[in-house]
Amino acid sequence: LAKTTQPISMDSYEGQEVNITCSHNNIATNDYITWYQQFPSQGPRFIIQGYKTKVTNEVASLFIPADRKSSTLSLPRVSLSDTAVYYCLVGTRDDKIIFGKGTRLHILP
Amino acid sequence: EADIYQTPRYLVIGTGKKITLECSQTMGHDKMYWYQQDPGMELHLIHYSYGVNSTEKGDLSSESTVSRIRTEHFPLTLESARPSHTSQYLCASSKRSLTGVGANVLTFGAGSRLTVL
Repeated sequence: LAKTTQPISMDSYEGQEVNITCSHNNIATNDYITWYQQFPSQGPRFIIQGYKTKVTNEVASLFIPADRKSSTLSLPRVSLSDTAVYYCLVGTRDDKIIFGKGTRLHILP
Repeated sequence: EADIYQTPRYLVIGTGKKITLECSQTMGHDKMYWYQQDPGMELHLIHYSYGVNSTEKGDLSSESTVSRIRTEHFPLTLESARPSHTSQYLCASSKRSLTGVGANVLTFGAGSRLTVL
């Protein structure tokens, strides 16, 4: 399991683009990078997954540089409803899927 | 629509009672997981299963037990509930692949919030 490091919290305003970066220096060759979103009192929800370069879906974009030692989740034009905790996961540890502390994103009006 | 179902959503129970939290999924996933999470805190993996008749301990020690007799069903049991067991319990499932596309992609249930008085 690659150790991941994310900011503990971030604030932004409605309508802005938000970028959350995750560091994973010891990512393995086979590891994919997966991001989840969690609202209070709910289970995490899968947002996006990527291996290299850029992945985009209807919710977010994921940018991964060539060395794959970090990744950036980009949320375009956020709204108040994007206030949540965002988790970056890379690999597994002995088959265990471990969530870290995540990034607590707070969107302000 | 939910493909993974947890019941009950909320349970308030007295100390010493036996409780079972139910989790069922209709996606045919091999792997299933139980996480425990207190409000505003990290998710902790307490149990997981590779498939039928497989159960493993997670990262956080738990007094609960699990069973996997059918692919779609992964119940969690506390033989004697205590106030320290008060928490939210989240069930999840995934396809079996450990690497490659789809690895680490979990589908979570809505959770069961347990309060032990």
